[in-house]
Amino acid sequence: DSGVTQTPKHLITATGQRVTLRCSPRSGDLSVYWYQQSLDQGLQFLIQYYNGEERAKGNILERFSAQQFPDLHSELNLSSLELGDSALYFCASSVALGLENDEQFFGPGTRLTVL
Amino acid sequence: LAKTTQPISMDSYEGQEVNITCSHNNIATNDYITWYQQFPSQGPRFIIQGYKTKVTNEVASLFIPADRKSSTLSLPRVSLSDTAVYYCLVGDIFMGRRALTFGSGTRLQVQP
Repeated sequence: DSGVTQTPKHLITATGQRVTLRCSPRSGDLSVYWYQQSLDQGLQFLIQYYNGEERAKGNILERFSAQQFPDLHSELNLSSLELGDSALYFCASSVALGLENDEQFFGPGTRLTVL
Repeated sequence: LAKTTQPISMDSYEGQEVNITCSHNNIATNDYITWYQQFPSQGPRFIIQGYKTKVTNEVASLFIPADRKSSTLSLPRVSLSDTAVYYCLVGDIFMGRRALTFGSGTRLQVQP
């Protein structure tokens, strides 16, 4: 158990819909990262927040957005969903600014299925 | 963008030593090299990290040559439970800031 929690574990929805994925980082971790992993693919970095502020943005679509709240939990919002958005979405957290030397602890993921 | 190159897959047998090499020709001076392990439908898990020469912990060793353009993850005496995908990471640039990027990884299959 990494200490990072994600809800829900599974999500099934239809095209065009909007969903929100939730992540609670490890106690004391200030950085939260979001990743997308499609079937048999590597992890695609989406976005990173540090202490409530956006720090780095990767391959995140404009239909997707995220935020980190004062209690440090984070939400990833996916809208106008398409079939290709079906994937595992992982949240990770780390202690510090998220420099590349910082060990990331991953949650169990949310499996999103778009029908 | 800094990128890593790893073999797509490797096969081994229980009890053997496995070495997975990663190429990172554009590694920056202040980049560390980090390896993660991922089991199916689970989040990746940190294995080991190093900057230069050799690093060893309870599960693996990491060998980094002087030019740091490659690194080798060594798993001693693998077991069936080591079957997983292994990712080599170095820094990358997003929004002008460095962050980690995962490549496609190396899928290790350990046979009995």
